[in-house]
Amino acid sequence: AQSVTQPDIHITVSEGASLELRCNYSYGATPYLFWYVQSPGQGLQLLLKYFSGDTLVQGIKGFEAEFKRSQSSFNLRKPSVHWSDAAEYFCAVAFTGGGNKLTFGTGTQLKVEL
Amino acid sequence: KAGVTQTPRYLIKTRGQQVTLSCSPISGHRSVSWYQQTPGQGLQFLFEYFSETQRNKGNFPGRFSGRQFSNSRSEMNVSTLELGDSALYLCASSLSGQRSGANVLTFGAGSRLTVL
Repeated sequence: AQSVTQPDIHITVSEGASLELRCNYSYGATPYLFWYVQSPGQGLQLLLKYFSGDTLVQGIKGFEAEFKRSQSSFNLRKPSVHWSDAAEYFCAVAFTGGGNKLTFGTGTQLKVEL
Repeated sequence: KAGVTQTPRYLIKTRGQQVTLSCSPISGHRSVSWYQQTPGQGLQFLFEYFSETQRNKGNFPGRFSGRQFSNSRSEMNVSTLELGDSALYLCASSLSGQRSGANVLTFGAGSRLTVL
C-alpha cells in the first residue's frame, strides 16, 4: 500500500541549530513530494515541492529538501533554525494519476528552545 | 490576490445535525479538494472537484458529500453528525487539476467543527 512515514513525532532544537526532518514513502514509482508547515489554528503552507529534475530543492523560509530515490526519502533541512519555525511539519505525497489526492505523513511537531 | 477562503471558521453542532462548509478558491483555480484533520487520524483526503465534477473520493462514509459550482466555489456537507466528525476541515485549491498529481495546492485556514 502507498504510504508516507514521518518517524519523528516531536523534535526539539535550539535556536540557531541545524534541523533535519525525516520523511519516507512507500510507492513503486517516483511520486510528487511536498513539505507543508502548519502553525496553530492555521491551514497548511507549502514550503517546497519536488516534481522532477534536481533532487535538491529550495523552498521558502530558508528550507531545503533532498529527494533520494534509493532511500525513498525526502528529508527537510534548515541550516539555522529560528524561534518562529516552531510549528508542525507535514510531508505529503501525490501518487501518479491521483490528481490532488495528497497522502500526508503524521507530522513532526518542532519545538525551538531559545 | 485573495487566498482560499473557508467559512465558517468555527462552528458547534450536536449529534444528528447536519453541517455545510463553504470554500472559495483562489480566483482562476478550477480544482478544489477537501481534507479532514483530526488528532487521531491526521490529515485525510475527502474528495476533489474539478469543473463541477467529483474526480476523486477518499474513504469516508456517504454522510460526507460535496459539490462544486460553476464559479469553482465548493461546499461540503456532513449529515447525521457523529462525535467523531469533530475536526478541522481544510479546503485546498489548485490552478490546474492535472490527473498526474503534479499540482500545487493552496490551503485555506480551515473550518473547525465541534460536535457535541
